[in-house]
Amino acid sequence: GENVEQHPSTLSVQEGDSAVIKCTYSDSASNYFPWYKQELGKGPQLIIDIRSNVGEKKDQRIAVTLNKTAKHFSLHITETQPEDSAVYFCAASGNTPLVFGKGTRLSVIA
Amino acid sequence: EPEVTQTPSHQVTQMGQEVILRCVPISNHLYFYWYRQILGQKVEFLVSFYNNEISEKSEIFDDQFSVERPDGSNFTLKIRSTKLEDSAMYFCATTSTSENTGELFFGEGSRLTVL
Repeated sequence: GENVEQHPSTLSVQEGDSAVIKCTYSDSASNYFPWYKQELGKGPQLIIDIRSNVGEKKDQRIAVTLNKTAKHFSLHITETQPEDSAVYFCAASGNTPLVFGKGTRLSVIA
Repeated sequence: EPEVTQTPSHQVTQMGQEVILRCVPISNHLYFYWYRQILGQKVEFLVSFYNNEISEKSEIFDDQFSVERPDGSNFTLKIRSTKLEDSAMYFCATTSTSENTGELFFGEGSRLTVL
């Protein structure tokens, strides 16, 4: 089955700096790669997703890149703000339901 | 904005008791999922449900677990005889698009504490 690895587990950045979170996956049949943001005590919320026919996708300060050959995808947050502080999960699906990475706790220091 | 609604938000139960967690999916969604998250850990897939039957289930979803959609609205997860290790946050998620490749909308979760 699918296995998703996510790094780093924690990340602290200064407000205004960029943050990058990286994930790898194992199942070459996976073709959908969402990123979820989870705030304390809440359910995961989709922030951006990418499908295997696209290499990069951007939505304002958030971008995701996908390298299918290497089986890795990354989340980039630019101009970070304190409200970006949360746990971020990458996930992958295709033949299987969404499999999540272990999460990255992002702290943006004002 | 439509949302997935889960009840209860928090349930405390004694080991061995039965628990039912309820979810009201977004109205036009056809695919339903339960995930769980043990405190501080990743979100894990339990089961998917489509057309009134289980599509897939994980190793976690053993004979103690069951799901149903008894009245066409609520989607329930039942744990027959709870164990301490069932303590976790349980998330319902739904989607309207193709199974496994559509955006999943998650509820706020039901926190289960087994004593």
